[in-house]
Amino acid sequence: GENVEQHPSTLSVQEGDSAVIKCTYSDSASNYFPWYKQELGKGPQLIIDIRSNVGEKKDQRIAVTLNKTAKHFSLHITETQPEDSAVYFCAASKGGGTSYGKLTFGQGTILTVHP
Amino acid sequence: DAGITQSPRYKITETGRQVTLMCHQTWSHSYMFWYRQDLGHGLRLIYYSAAADITDKGEVPDGYVVSRSKTENFPLTLESATRSQTSVYFCASSESEGFDGKLFFGSGTQLSVL
Repeated sequence: GENVEQHPSTLSVQEGDSAVIKCTYSDSASNYFPWYKQELGKGPQLIIDIRSNVGEKKDQRIAVTLNKTAKHFSLHITETQPEDSAVYFCAASKGGGTSYGKLTFGQGTILTVHP
Repeated sequence: DAGITQSPRYKITETGRQVTLMCHQTWSHSYMFWYRQDLGHGLRLIYYSAAADITDKGEVPDGYVVSRSKTENFPLTLESATRSQTSVYFCASSESEGFDGKLFFGSGTQLSVL
């Protein structure tokens, strides 16, 4: 089955700096790569996603890049703010229909943004 | 708009007892999922359902049972709880049309098996 590795496990930055979280996946058939943000005591929330036919996607301060050849994808957060502090999860899935919900998650990254 | 709700929020039980975690969604989403979250493992899929009366196993189904008699409810039952089932459990749902993979998660149930 699919295996998703996520690094780093913890990341500490100063407010205003950029943060980068990287993930690798094992199954070349995977074609959908979402990123979820989980705040303390809450469930994960989708913040951005990318499909295998796209190399990069941006949404304001966050962006995701995908390298299908190397089977890795990354989350980039620019101009970090204290409210960006949370646990971030990458995930991967393949196929259509219910397969999109059958996500394989990475281990998570605890991001701390210091004021 | 209540969205997706899980109950109870916290649960302590003993080894061998049966426990049922509830999940209710108000969007009429066809697809529902149960994940467990453990340190170092991220979230792992236990069971999922594509519609009422249609369920299937995920990555870690052993020791769990699900049912989906109504679209809005997707309870998860631990038939005989074990300590290894101590975890945070998340229910999620997604739209039935134009399925784009976006999952909506509940706030979770923190389960401790003593």
